[in-house]
Amino acid sequence: GAVVSQHPSRVICKSGTSVKIECRSLDFQATTMFWYRQFPKQSLMLMATSNEGSKATYEQGVEKDKFLINHASLTLSTLTVTSAHPEDSSFYICSASGPQNTEAFFGQGTRLTVV
Amino acid sequence: QKEVEQNSGPLSVPEGAIASLNCTYSDRVSQSFFWYRQYSGKSPELIMSIYSNGDKEDGRFTAQLNKASQYVSLLIRDSQPSDSATYLCAGGFSGGYNKLIFGAGTRLAVHP
Repeated sequence: GAVVSQHPSRVICKSGTSVKIECRSLDFQATTMFWYRQFPKQSLMLMATSNEGSKATYEQGVEKDKFLINHASLTLSTLTVTSAHPEDSSFYICSASGPQNTEAFFGQGTRLTVV
Repeated sequence: QKEVEQNSGPLSVPEGAIASLNCTYSDRVSQSFFWYRQYSGKSPELIMSIYSNGDKEDGRFTAQLNKASQYVSLLIRDSQPSDSATYLCAGGFSGGYNKLIFGAGTRLAVHP
C-alpha cells in the first residue's frame, strides 16, 4: 500500500499553546486528506476532509477556528490545534487518498497530551 | 440506524479457528467497503477492500459483500494470537467524494 507519514508521533504541550501535526503522502499524490480523532477505546471520529488547494470541510461539532487545517500541496496537509486544552488530549490520525481510488491510507498517528 | 454498525465484541476465538466479523451499513454508504485492523495505540492498517457482491480472498482473509442485505463480513481463517486487534469496517460515503465512514470496531481476541 501507499505510504503516509505523520509527524510527530507523540507530543506533550502546555495548556494554551498551539501544536502543529504534519501528514505527508510519500509515494502518491494525495488529492484528499482526512483528519480523525480517537479517544481511548472509541472509534475513529472524522474531524475534517481537505482537498488540495481548497478549504477543509469540517464535520458537525468540530470547531474550525480551533482545528486549523491546511492542504497546500498534493503531498502535505497540516492540522494545528490552537489554544490546546487538556480535553484536546487524544490520538490524532490522518489518512490520504489519491484521485483514482477510494482506499485511504493512514499515517502513524499523533498522541497529543495537553498538560 | 448508524451508517456503519459493528458489534463491539469482544469476540473471543481459540487459536486456529475461524473468526467471523460482521458489519451492516445504511443507504448513506456507497458501494466500496474496507476492513482495517487496528492494534492498541496504533493507527489502522488496511486489510481488504471489496467493491462487488460475493467473496474476495487474500491469504487467510476473506471479505464477503451482500449489497441486497447491506452486509459485509470478514473471515479470518487459522486465527493467530497476533490477529488480536480491533477490526474496523468502513464504507465509502455516497455523497460524492471519497470520505470513509467507520464503524465502531469489533475487538477480536485469539487465545492460545
